Amino acid sequence: DTGVSQDPRHKITKRGQNVTFRCDPISEHNRLYWYRQTLGQGPEFLTYFQNEAQLEKSRLLSDRFSAERPKGSFSTLEIQRTEQGDSAMYLCASSSGGNNEQFFGPGTRLTVL
Amino acid sequence: GNSVTQMEGPVTLSEEAFLTINCTYTATGYPSLFWYVQYPGEGLQLLLKATKADDKGSNKGFEATYRKETTSFHLEKGSVQVSDSAVYFCALSDQGGGGSYIPTFGRGTSLIVHP
Repeated sequence: DTGVSQDPRHKITKRGQNVTFRCDPISEHNRLYWYRQTLGQGPEFLTYFQNEAQLEKSRLLSDRFSAERPKGSFSTLEIQRTEQGDSAMYLCASSSGGNNEQFFGPGTRLTVL
Repeated sequence: GNSVTQMEGPVTLSEEAFLTINCTYTATGYPSLFWYVQYPGEGLQLLLKATKADDKGSNKGFEATYRKETTSFHLEKGSVQVSDSAVYFCALSDQGGGGSYIPTFGRGTSLIVHP
């Protein structure tokens, strides 16, 4: 088991462009989470999946953000028409079991110019 | 809703000093409690956890006890090392059974340990 992986690790884009990030969770984990983290803050919940079903989305999540987990394995997070305020670290985590211990990937750092 | 409050940093200590990072929480159910650590340029990794009242989580010399009466989960270490310099996050997660599986994280406390 290689843990949670994310791709790319860094992304620089111009305002207005679309970006897509990928997360590969630990294979036996049925829950997958996306978070956003800015400097000096803890992870902010964006959305999560149980298997292929998207069960929760943050009320703060703009309509420009969409996530999928089509086969209950890897997941993608797309941001359309990026804005400078979208610049942040995007973290993916997976889990299983009742206590919901989170296993995090290394993150994708997005910079919007 | 659920919330986690942890002491603001940075906490600056000399090597071998005693560490306490305070964490208190509010939750509607009976959550599991966690401390995660984040080293520069990396994702978060679990440091320790406790799943019910009076449980003590421990790992790498760090300890925290789940105190339901004070809704606290303070992190302690008797003798810190330079390599402990990192950002520490307190977190909770409901245990399902109708509760949400959405974890809640504190803002993080930066620890700086000088030789």
